[in-house]
Amino acid sequence: DADVTQTPRNRITKTGKRIMLECSQTKGHDRMYWYRQDPGLGLQLIYYSFDVKDINKGEISDGYSVSRQAQAKFSLSLESAIPNQTALYFCATSARDGSGELFFGEGSRLTVL
Amino acid sequence: QKEVEQDPGPLSVPEGAIVSLNCTYSNSAFQYFMWYRQYSRKGPELLMYTYSSGNKEDGRFTAQVDKSSKYISLFIRDSQPSDSATYLCAMSEGNTDKLIFGTGTRLQVFP
Repeated sequence: DADVTQTPRNRITKTGKRIMLECSQTKGHDRMYWYRQDPGLGLQLIYYSFDVKDINKGEISDGYSVSRQAQAKFSLSLESAIPNQTALYFCATSARDGSGELFFGEGSRLTVL
Repeated sequence: QKEVEQDPGPLSVPEGAIVSLNCTYSNSAFQYFMWYRQYSRKGPELLMYTYSSGNKEDGRFTAQVDKSSKYISLFIRDSQPSDSATYLCAMSEGNTDKLIFGTGTRLQVFP
């Protein structure tokens, strides 16, 4: 099984719908992240959490919210999806040891019609 | 201007070629520099990690950082078809800080 698991892997939805992307990890890391990847824009940080009680906005948090339900679980919500939120979303984790290495899931491809 | 600039490619080379991938950046406070490799339909994975200026070698891969020029490079020797992927540079001010990624360079190595 993957160390960082994202569900769903693919989702097509309509404008205005609420969507939740879920992430769970078995690496025992405290830090978790949500990134968005668009062609030509690279990876952009949406939200990050350094422990269960810590939530921080990233570069592009507008239109998104997150919940850190447990050390191993970090979910991303789009309250009212819009077409320009069509993208590939990645969850990632890192250890507190300061190595800087991120461990990514396999991505969730979201299409908003 | 973006903090980190990376040529998107695509870069297409024959097997055995030496590949040079590059990023420039504007923030002189960046101290930690990384290269991630991303295969199609997969998440990125760390390939090389360098602190401050200098070179680091790992097998066929060499990472170089020139802080005076705000320029980092990844060299791949004896490139293989299995090296075909997108390569993303990433950097941060502190080793516990958020990473800033380049847009990625798509590399194709043909037999």
